[in-house]
Amino acid sequence: DQQVKQNSPSLSVQEGRISILNCDYTNSMFDYFLWYKKYPAEGPTFLISISSIKDKNEDGRFTVFLNKSAKHLSLHIVPSQPGDSAVYFCAASVNFGNEKLTFGTGTRLTIIP
Amino acid sequence: ETGVTQSPTHLIKTRGQQVTLRCSSQSGHNTVSWYQQALGQGPQFIFQYYREEENGRGNFPPRFSGLQFPNYSSELNVNALELDDSALYLCASSLSARGGSPLHFGNGTRLTVT
Repeated sequence: DQQVKQNSPSLSVQEGRISILNCDYTNSMFDYFLWYKKYPAEGPTFLISISSIKDKNEDGRFTVFLNKSAKHLSLHIVPSQPGDSAVYFCAASVNFGNEKLTFGTGTRLTIIP
Repeated sequence: ETGVTQSPTHLIKTRGQQVTLRCSSQSGHNTVSWYQQALGQGPQFIFQYYREEENGRGNFPPRFSGLQFPNYSSELNVNALELDDSALYLCASSLSARGGSPLHFGNGTRLTVT
């Protein structure tokens, strides 16, 4: 049972444009959400997080939006840069903790120069 | 500041054997988590240790066991290896088990079971 779903395995975006990565979840107990980025042969790197008491969180070019009623979150990257090409994982947890992150299967983002 | 380091980077074992994977936490981090990432999948939570005590476990059988040492480094042990144990094993450390303390991952150990 996949509690965190990333339905787009891949996404290609022109450099300078907006990249939007989507994530859906089914467990209503999730209250803390994170995005990680992974380059080949490296471990995932934390990007940005959001708790369920917010609906938006920004950090530079990265913004995460949370729609609790739809159980949906999205990551916006503006403007997209070639170095953003990587696999992006959405993750979620309960009790605002990090003791058990449930990850999606990832979306491979390719930025086209 | 030293990040999370894992050893070995690659390992090949035979079905039925036992394996030990090692992880050094990032400096100042007292919490370590282990994840298994199968090909084409996201990481799956195995367990977490906080100050040498297990602090949560995922849906993995008892043949997956772990340890955290006083210096907060950690080991993952897997007994009676099965072919499906072939995966990338990721270790992650954090300042605490609370939210707002993101996990910092190592580069992983690629385990192949033949």
